[in-house]
Amino acid sequence: EDQVTQSPEALRLQEGESSSLNCSYTVSGLRGLFWYRQDPGKGPEFLFTLYSAGEEKEKERLKATLTKKESFLHITAPKPEDSATYLCAVQAPAGGTSYGKLTFGQGTILTVHP
Amino acid sequence: DGGITQSPKYLFRKEGQNVTLSCEQNLNHDAMYWYRQDPGQGLRLIYYSQIVNDFQKGDIAEGYSVSREKKESFPLTVTSAQKNPTAFYLCASSETPAAYNEQFFGPGTRLTVL
Repeated sequence: EDQVTQSPEALRLQEGESSSLNCSYTVSGLRGLFWYRQDPGKGPEFLFTLYSAGEEKEKERLKATLTKKESFLHITAPKPEDSATYLCAVQAPAGGTSYGKLTFGQGTILTVHP
Repeated sequence: DGGITQSPKYLFRKEGQNVTLSCEQNLNHDAMYWYRQDPGQGLRLIYYSQIVNDFQKGDIAEGYSVSREKKESFPLTVTSAQKNPTAFYLCASSETPAAYNEQFFGPGTRLTVL
């Protein structure tokens, strides 16, 4: 069974204090790893897709990296508006009775104080 | 603008009642999904549909039902058989159900059982 564990559960940073969020996964054949941002009371917003170990993607102050066992979301010089829950999900292979199901972690709640 | 809409935003249900949550997308996506989100837990898949007039059970389908009569619409009915329906419900869609396709989410419906 695919499993995704995110750590820490909650992270409090001062504005400008860089840090990283972790997403560890166990999956039978990773097809994609996805990062989403979710604001309170809203639907998740897509951030990145990573497909293979060694891949990196960046968007503004966020940078996602992938190894064979985990992914990191690095936040450089965060601002208060970066405060949100960050969700990680892995995608199983498609085909047969499978369809490319997403398995989500429980999320990391990030709070950035001014 | 293309996107996913869910209605209503808030829904209150008395015990023993069935309620239907609406999900519409104008992205021309083939695949649609329903997830449930509870505090401190990852998103859990209820039902998914890869194509019109076809849908499959996800991990927690008991007490729920769906239909997919049109490509753009995927309503979810929460029946009286669902023992703990209070949760945040999220609808998503993807271009195809295959791997490599990120899922895009609607704004969610918060259901409360009185």
